[in-house]
Amino acid sequence: DVVLTQTPLTLSVNPGQSASISCKSSRSLLHSDGKTYLYWYLQKPGQSPQLLMYELSSRLSGVPDRFSGSGAETEFTLKISRVETEDVGVYYCMQALSLYSFGQGTKLEIK
Amino acid sequence: QVQLVESGGDLVKPGGSLRLSCAASGFTFSDYYMSWVRQAPGKGLEWVSYLNYNGSIIHYVDSVKGRFTTSRDNAKNSLDLQMNSLRVDDTAVYYCARGVKMDVWGKGTTVTVSS
Repeated sequence: DVVLTQTPLTLSVNPGQSASISCKSSRSLLHSDGKTYLYWYLQKPGQSPQLLMYELSSRLSGVPDRFSGSGAETEFTLKISRVETEDVGVYYCMQALSLYSFGQGTKLEIK
Repeated sequence: QVQLVESGGDLVKPGGSLRLSCAASGFTFSDYYMSWVRQAPGKGLEWVSYLNYNGSIIHYVDSVKGRFTTSRDNAKNSLDLQMNSLRVDDTAVYYCARGVKMDVWGKGTTVTVSS
């Protein structure tokens, strides 16, 4: 089983500042097809999860370019530059290389 | 528009059964893998199962193997989750999600297992 570990579990940021969330995998998420099967979701309060980033660094259409994904093999980062109040919620990383699994979630709060 | 709508959630006693459904619209259902993901109260997301385009490949998380069965009807654009031998720790909001990327989610349906 692939285990994803997110840090921090809670993040408090001033509007306009940047925020970074780490996701570490128990095994490499690089597939032989060259793609890295790592995804990022945001679950806003009271809503269903929504996909932000797929295959490591591709932004879903409509997602602001303030969001970026990076990393390789087993260590990944979601960066949010210029955090806005609408960005609050819980962020999850997910892997789809070996079945599926999610990280524990990181709650983003605005100071 | 592209939409997934789950239904069938209810209050059920431990050991009981329940069948959830997910109705898809606005896209070619048979072109996509489909998944079930659940979220226990106040907890994170847990993948439950997925099946491929025609249902010939199905996988489950270990905790539901032998108890849950997922199926799809591409003619009806629907996805089902048959849940048997339900346990208290199956209590959760159950979401269906589209594709390998899980790029579209429904609003979820609530399953409560309690005596």
